[in-house]
Amino acid sequence: SQKIEQNSEALNIQEGKTATLTCNYTNYSPAYLQWYRQDPGRGPVFLLLIRENEKEKRKERLKVTFDTTLKQSLFHITASQPADSATYLCALDRPGGSYIPTFGRGTSLIVHP
Amino acid sequence: ETGVTQTPRHLVMGMTNKKSLKCEQHLGHNAMYWYKQSAKKPLELMFVYSLEERVENNSVPSRFSPECPNSSHLFLHLHTLQPEDSALYLCASSQDLRAAQETQYFGPGTRLLVL
Repeated sequence: SQKIEQNSEALNIQEGKTATLTCNYTNYSPAYLQWYRQDPGRGPVFLLLIRENEKEKRKERLKVTFDTTLKQSLFHITASQPADSATYLCALDRPGGSYIPTFGRGTSLIVHP
Repeated sequence: ETGVTQTPRHLVMGMTNKKSLKCEQHLGHNAMYWYKQSAKKPLELMFVYSLEERVENNSVPSRFSPECPNSSHLFLHLHTLQPEDSALYLCASSQDLRAAQETQYFGPGTRLLVL
């Protein structure tokens, strides 16, 4: 069955550095991959979507890559700030043509001033 | 704000109570979802509605009963819950269940505690 893996350990980085989060998946070739941000006790907020025929997507300080050979997406935040501290979730569409996403468990990012 | 509201934001209930969670979206979307999020676990999809019709029920116990009276409103009726049902319940909407419409807009969630 489809499996989505995100690092369960928190990523701690210093302000100003680039944060890189990883989303790996197995047993499937998704049509798209999404990244969401979730703050404690709040609902996830959509950040970026990248499709299977796209290698890279950018939005302000955010960059997402999608390597369908490695079955991996990397999510980068450049010039990170303490306000970027949150949990970041990746989500893929499910096998079978459904466009309902399946979410990973997320990785916590902590940016230290 | 995402355009999706949920009430109440916090709820404490006993195992014999009956309560309802409400979700409203102001985005003109056709699809609505209920998710359960427990600590350290991925989001669990519970129900999916498209144009007021339930299209998915992910083996959710019958003590959870969804209702979608129109495309803007979604309810989750709760009765005889168990302590392990304590979690953050999230409502979401998307434009549709088709390609290029996949982005989900989440409400702030209802934090539920079952005693």
